[in-house]
This record gives sequence, structure tokens and C-alpha cells, in this order.
Amino acid sequence: AQSVTQLGSHVSVSEGALVLLRCNYSSSVPPYLFWYVQYPNQGLQLLLKYTSAATLVKGINGFEAEFKKSETSFHLTKPSAHMSDAAEYFCAVARSGNTPLVFGKGTRLSVIA
Amino acid sequence: GAGVSQSPSNKVTEKGKDVELRCDPISGHTALYWYRQSLGQGLEFLIYFQGNSAPDKSGLPSDRFSAERTGGSVSTLTIQRTQQEDSAVYLCASAWAGSGDTQYFGPGTRLTVL
Repeated sequence: AQSVTQLGSHVSVSEGALVLLRCNYSSSVPPYLFWYVQYPNQGLQLLLKYTSAATLVKGINGFEAEFKKSETSFHLTKPSAHMSDAAEYFCAVARSGNTPLVFGKGTRLSVIA
Repeated sequence: GAGVSQSPSNKVTEKGKDVELRCDPISGHTALYWYRQSLGQGLEFLIYFQGNSAPDKSGLPSDRFSAERTGGSVSTLTIQRTQQEDSAVYLCASAWAGSGDTQYFGPGTRLTVL
């Protein structure tokens, strides 16, 4: 069975600081990995996805994530936080590209001016 | 083009009543998913439709929950005899059939059971 662990339910960073949101997964097969963002009272929006091509994946809004098989990790980073990045971030894994997603518990990102 | 739409956006009902939640996927998407988001359980998969195949119902929490997809497009999630623990945001997503395809989410229906 697949599972996702997001370390830290709440992360707070200063505006302009590095954003690092951690995600570790377990999967019996090479996984598809996703990061979604959810703004208050909105649905989920895809930030980026890994589908066995390049291990460093670039997404929208300056975010990127690196797939590290040896560490079973897919951490999300952004060099410089912006106030508009404040939201809930979810890491998810799927057995294949079209199967249901298994989500982590989410990490709420706060950005301090 | 239009994204995934869901209706109603909010639904308040009394315990024991039945409710129907609707999802309109992106035109042409053959895969449709229902998820539930609640404070205690996070985001959980409920049911998955792929084309004309039998749906994957493995995530439905009880037999009070059912869903159908008519004409390979619109889907309705029905909850019978609602309980307070059914209170959550119900999210619908759709995707193309290809490998690695992105699931596009609707805004959700917030269900409150009094």
C-alpha cells in the first residue's frame, strides 16, 4: 500500500526566506508524485508532478521538488517566500498516473512579513 | 476552458436526511474521482470512475454512500441517512485517460450535518 508522510503540520517562514516542505512516501512500485496547493475555501491546484522523467521537477509560482529514490523523498522548495504563498500544501502519491491519489496530511505554510 | 464544477457549494442538512452532490467534470475527461476532506481524516479517496469500466468503490466508508456517472460525464454522489460524521468538504476531480495525467479539482461542496 502507498502512503505519504508530510513532516510538520505547520511551517512558518519570513518573506524572502527559503521554503522547504518535506514529503516522504512509501510505494511498492515506482510512484507518481504530486504537490498540490489549497488556498482558503478553494479546491486543490497542482503545483508540480513527478512522472519518472527528470528527478528535479519545476512547477508553477517558482516552486520545485526533487525526487530522491534512495531517500523516498519528494521535498518541495522555493528560494524566496512571498506573502501569496501562504496556503495549505499537500503531497500525494499514485500507483500510476490515473489511479486515485493518496494524500499526506498537509502542511500549512505561513509567511511572515 | 471551464474547469470542474460542483454544486451546491454548501449544503446544510439534518441528521438522517439524504443528500445528493453533483460534479461536472472537464469536457472530454474520462476519469472522475470523489474525495472527502475533513479535519480529522485529511483528504480521503472515495470512488473512481474510468470510462465505461466498473467504478472503484474501495474508498466508500459505508453502504450509505453511493455514486453514479451518467453518460460518462456528470457524476452524483449520494449519501443516505446522513450522520454528523459525514460533515466534510467533498471534492471532485477529473483527468484525461493517459498515464501521468493531472487530476483537476473542483471547488468542493461543504456538507454540514446538524
